This record gives sequence, structure tokens and C-alpha cells, in this order.
Amino acid sequence: NAGVTQTPKFRILKIGQSMTLQCTQDMNHNYMYWYRQDPGMGLKLIYYSVGAGITDKGEVPNGYNVSRSTTEDFPLRLELAAPSQTSVYFCASRADRAYNSPLHFGNGTRLTVT
Amino acid sequence: KQEVTQIPAALSVPEGENLVLNCSFTDSAIYNLQWFRQDPGKGLTSLLLIQSSQREQTSGRLNASLDKSSGRSTLYIAASQPGDSATYLCAVRPLIPQGGSEKLVFGKGTKLTVNP
Repeated sequence: NAGVTQTPKFRILKIGQSMTLQCTQDMNHNYMYWYRQDPGMGLKLIYYSVGAGITDKGEVPNGYNVSRSTTEDFPLRLELAAPSQTSVYFCASRADRAYNSPLHFGNGTRLTVT
Repeated sequence: KQEVTQIPAALSVPEGENLVLNCSFTDSAIYNLQWFRQDPGKGLTSLLLIQSSQREQTSGRLNASLDKSSGRSTLYIAASQPGDSATYLCAVRPLIPQGGSEKLVFGKGTKLTVNP
């Protein structure tokens, strides 16, 4: 059971470049999330989705875009990379609308923007 | 605004010791509280989720308690082992959404080292 899979694991971008962070899950979860984790800080929610075709902003959405065309995939797009986007990005999912279903996380993508 | 604090930021103990990790939150209006473990270079693994109506949850050597009225949760680890070394994070789900209905508020974590 693969769970939540993120690619790539590491990436270095130059300022102004674009990239897509991939996330896929094989648990048939409707709810999916993108978080960023900065050193010494708690996780911040970027975007989330409650099902295919539905996305919504989280706490820190500026500079990012998402799409959810299938239940399995939830890619995160950085259009014009900035040094402030240097971080570790985590994708997560959970089963259903009941708030008491636990989150499942991927292993993260470490992004450096120089 | 809900804030979650975990003190201490780091803890080092000898193998076999029983230990307690602390999590405090400023607003008692929560749906639930979740404890996670994070190993270096890895994502978070959910350990225990306590609903607001519950007082504690247990899984193996782990026991999490919740005192909503005082804004506190503890994670008790019995007979600690070197394999327990990791960063432990807690997160609350506010009753009143802040910054999106799916937002959790995370603490910064406690880095635990269990020495053989």
C-alpha cells in the first residue's frame, strides 16, 4: 500500500522558474492538502481539496495554484518561484468529511529557490 | 486566534525512561487534537487522535490525554526506546474555522532523543 506519494523529493529552482509538485494517493481519499514546513515553524496549509473538481485556499495560498481533476492526484504549481518559497512541501490526505479521520502524509518535497 | 505551543523544543532521555510531551492551545473550542511523529526527511505519521469529547487515547506504549478546559494535551511514552527518537507534533482542529474550514493549527514540535 503506497499511501501518499510525492515527487520529486528534492528540487532546486532559479528565481522566476516554474514547476509542479506532484502528489498522488491510492487510498481513495476525497480530502487532500498541501502544506509547507519552514525550519522551526509549524506546518502551514497552502491549498486543499474536498473532492475532484473542488479546491480552496488555505492559510498561505499566494504564489501557488492547484487543480484536482481526479480523486488520486493533487498537483501544486509554482508559477514564478521566489526565495520565500524555499521550504519543505507536504501533501496529505484523509478519508472523509468526518473531522475525526486522521491525516496521512507523503514524505515531502524539499524545494530550494536561489 | 488559536495558537499551539509545545514545550520543550527538545528533550533528551536515557533508554527505558517514561516521558511526557506537552502541548498547549489557547482556545478550548476544538473538534479534536492529533499527535504526529516526524522522522528526519520524512512526512508526518499520525499517532493518536483525540476527539473533543474524549479524555484520552491509547496505542501500545503511547497514551495521549486531553484537558480541553485548560487547553492542554500530553503524550505519554512508556519505556522509551532509541527508535522513539523523532520530532513529535500536535495539531488542533478549531471549531470555528480560521483561514479555511480544513485548517489545522500545528505546534512547532518537540524533538525527542532517546539515548541507548
